[in-house]
Amino acid sequence: GAVVSQHPSRVICKSGTSVKIECRSLDFQATTMFWYRQFPKQSLMLMATSNEGSKATYEQGVEKDKFLINHASLTLSTLTVTSAHPEDSSFYICSAMRQRETQYFGPGTRLLVL
Amino acid sequence: GESVGLHLPTLSVQEGDNSIINCAYSNSASDYFIWYKQESGKGPQFIIDIRSNMDKRQGQRVTVLLNKTVKHLSLQIAATQPGDSAVYFCAEDRNQFYFGTGTSLTVIP
Repeated sequence: GAVVSQHPSRVICKSGTSVKIECRSLDFQATTMFWYRQFPKQSLMLMATSNEGSKATYEQGVEKDKFLINHASLTLSTLTVTSAHPEDSSFYICSAMRQRETQYFGPGTRLLVL
Repeated sequence: GESVGLHLPTLSVQEGDNSIINCAYSNSASDYFIWYKQESGKGPQFIIDIRSNMDKRQGQRVTVLLNKTVKHLSLQIAATQPGDSAVYFCAEDRNQFYFGTGTSLTVIP
């Protein structure tokens, strides 16, 4: 159990466009979902924490208007990178947590902005 | 500031040998720790966890040791295999997860 999926796994887009990434908990209901960003050979950087039905809590330095997070149900959270630019190219990873158990991570989404 | 960090950024071991990956944390109030394995281009994969009321926990070929006195966490992998090659992160749970830098483990056949 505790499978988390992400879609798409890879996306290439033009500068200025918006990209939506989905994160789903497939076999459990996630009370909380998290969005991370990871640059090559670096650790995971938490971007925001999302609870179902409420606004996401963003980490310091993360632009709320640029990285829109929607957590509409207990099994789905979406991250939309608005007006993407080349510096937004990164590996985006979500995780899901049920109650106070550990986090289970998705496979990640590789975003390349041209 | 508070941090979770790793002593060694890279580790190379011979296939069949045991591996030990270390992690230091600075918040003595942390009560839950997790080790994750991340293969190239993939998301982190849960390996093993331990709560602060324990000092050792064993899984299949893996053992986590927690020394609260010196705020140190280690992951031991027995009979390391090529498939164990990956980056290993420790994470500390303080209402949210704080990840260490990561140790890249390379298994030499």
